[in-house]
Amino acid sequence: QSALTQPASVSGSPGQSITISCTGTSSDVGGYDYVAWYQQHPGKAPKVIIYDVSDRPSGVSNRFSGSKSGNTAFLTISGLRTEDEADYHCSSFASNTLFVFGTGTKVTVL
Amino acid sequence: QVQLVQSGAEVRKPGASVKVSCEASGYTFSNYDINWVRQANGQGLEWMGWMNSNTGKTGFSQKFQGRLTITWSTSISTAYMELSSLRSDDTAVYYCARRGLYDDWFDTWGQGTLVTVSS
Repeated sequence: QSALTQPASVSGSPGQSITISCTGTSSDVGGYDYVAWYQQHPGKAPKVIIYDVSDRPSGVSNRFSGSKSGNTAFLTISGLRTEDEADYHCSSFASNTLFVFGTGTKVTVL
Repeated sequence: QVQLVQSGAEVRKPGASVKVSCEASGYTFSNYDINWVRQANGQGLEWMGWMNSNTGKTGFSQKFQGRLTITWSTSISTAYMELSSLRSDDTAVYYCARRGLYDDWFDTWGQGTLVTVSS
């Protein structure tokens, strides 16, 4: 099972919107609406910000939104803030391994 | 509050084994799965396996079949991950993470345990 493909880095200025992609196959992202996104600050454990493609856990800012098209999921961060600078990881349920994560994306706020 | 607390950093030589613990508190241990995820320095997350103390079931990524053992003690709400035949590329931070029985996401994570494999 290969990792889901994410861009290595994405950047934006404060207030802008950015979108991170997460590409898999029909055996994972494309086959199930079970995509989650995690935010990870340096030296910290990951924190879930999106689950089931587009749902937000209680307490997570509505500046974070998720969507999916075919075998690719997307995380959009609107109104970019300095505290959004972190690594972002997608994950998906996968038919042959239960779970697979993405390669991770470093978000830089310029 | 819901919390997962892991054991401290470990250093092992190639070929050895390591066992990491994950103590749960603030919820009923058997009502949730515990998963193990690792992260090599500067790399992405890698799912390794899971357990559920209520059903007694475990599951593993094929990559770790034969090397990974997941056990638990319900009486002390603690899960254990043991990885054997360690190689240098097993050097990573190992996390335990909680998952609801019908969920596909991890809502609580341990603080991570650094395992260094070096001769």
